[in-house]
Amino acid sequence: SQKIEQNSEALNIQEGKTATLTCNYTNYSPAYLQWYRQDPGRGPVFLLLIRENEKEKRKERLKVTFDTTLKQSLFHITASQPADSATYLCALPMNTGFQKLVFGTGTRLLVSP
Amino acid sequence: NAGVTQTPKFQVLKTGQSMTLQCAQDMNHEYMSWYRQDPGMGLRLIHYSVGAGITDQGEVPNGYNVSRSTTEDFPLRLLSAAPSQTSVYFCASADAPGTGSSYEQYFGPGTRLTVT
Repeated sequence: SQKIEQNSEALNIQEGKTATLTCNYTNYSPAYLQWYRQDPGRGPVFLLLIRENEKEKRKERLKVTFDTTLKQSLFHITASQPADSATYLCALPMNTGFQKLVFGTGTRLLVSP
Repeated sequence: NAGVTQTPKFQVLKTGQSMTLQCAQDMNHEYMSWYRQDPGMGLRLIHYSVGAGITDQGEVPNGYNVSRSTTEDFPLRLLSAAPSQTSVYFCASADAPGTGSSYEQYFGPGTRLTVT
């Protein structure tokens, strides 16, 4: 089965800097990869999807890369703000169904003023 | 649109009791799923449905039942609660995949369940 690794240690950065979060997977290469944001006590919220044939995707201050050779995705937040503080989850589809997701444990990001 | 709603928000059960977690969505999504989230484990898929009348098991289905009689509702039943089922439960829905789909899943606010 697919295993996803995200850094379990919190990432602390200063406002204005770029935050970079890592998602590594171990088995089959997925057709796509998603990133979600989760705030304490709330459900995850979808941010971005990147497909296997895409190297990079951007949305406002967010950038996601997908390297199927390294089996890795990087998630960047540029010009970070305290409001970006949250846990960020990486998700991939299971090989048994496009809509069945496997999630990483998430990385907590703390942006200090 | 209310999106995905879940009730109750909190629940405490004694071992052996049964209960149903409710989930409803008003976006006419075909796909619905239930996840549990435990510290250090991430979200794990319990059961899912690709449409009314069709359900299937996810990664951790034991101890849970589901049914899907309407597009809108997808209740999760705990048959005989055990302390190992203490968790936060999330329901999610998604549109049928199509050209250019983002496969975005919309999550509810969660139900925090404690089994003593």
